[in-house]
Amino acid sequence: ETGVTQTPRHLVMGMTNKKSLKCEQHLGHNAMYWYKQSAKKPLELMFVYNFKEQTENNSVPSRFSPECPNSSHLFLHLHTLQPEDSALYLCASSQEMGSPLHFGNGTRLTVT
Amino acid sequence: GQQLNQSPQSMFIQEGEDVSMNCTSSSIFNTWLWYKQDPGEGPVLLIALYKAGELTSNGRLTAQFGITRKDSFLNISASIPSDVGIYFCAGQLKNAGNMLTFGGGTRLMVKP
Repeated sequence: ETGVTQTPRHLVMGMTNKKSLKCEQHLGHNAMYWYKQSAKKPLELMFVYNFKEQTENNSVPSRFSPECPNSSHLFLHLHTLQPEDSALYLCASSQEMGSPLHFGNGTRLTVT
Repeated sequence: GQQLNQSPQSMFIQEGEDVSMNCTSSSIFNTWLWYKQDPGEGPVLLIALYKAGELTSNGRLTAQFGITRKDSFLNISASIPSDVGIYFCAGQLKNAGNMLTFGGGTRLMVKP
């Protein structure tokens, strides 16, 4: 149990599908993050939420749409993705901005 | 933007050997973090360093925050098969919104 739970663990979707990734943290943290992990690339920060407010959008295409209804939950809504979007999507949380990150186990996304 | 050069990219060692990996940057960081990612899981924080020159141990792991604040290294002594995984360094700079910059990772393989 990592304290940060991501579902689903694996997702295969077509380019015309709409799907959502879910993240829930049980640590009482105030900041939540989405990262993309592709093969042979450093972890890429996508979005940051601090106290439910988005504070960072790292030039992410609009086909990725985050939602943070409360400090414990974070979603990533996906639509009309491209094959190059296939990657491991990691959610993380931290006590506050600047504190060490606690990661979930990720969702392995394959876009066909 | 800031970049971290992590080396080596991969290592294949014999069980019992010591391991050393490092990260360097042209930028100064306030915090250095080291994470380990096991196959199929998210990164887990191993060691956090907050002061230049700081040397911190966690069991068989030792990490140091370089004096220049531009580098850090991680040593693993007497490696065992469960040390297998990808090790990531991450640097954090307060005036960059506290965002982490990750290295590309060092993939460690241990031969029993």
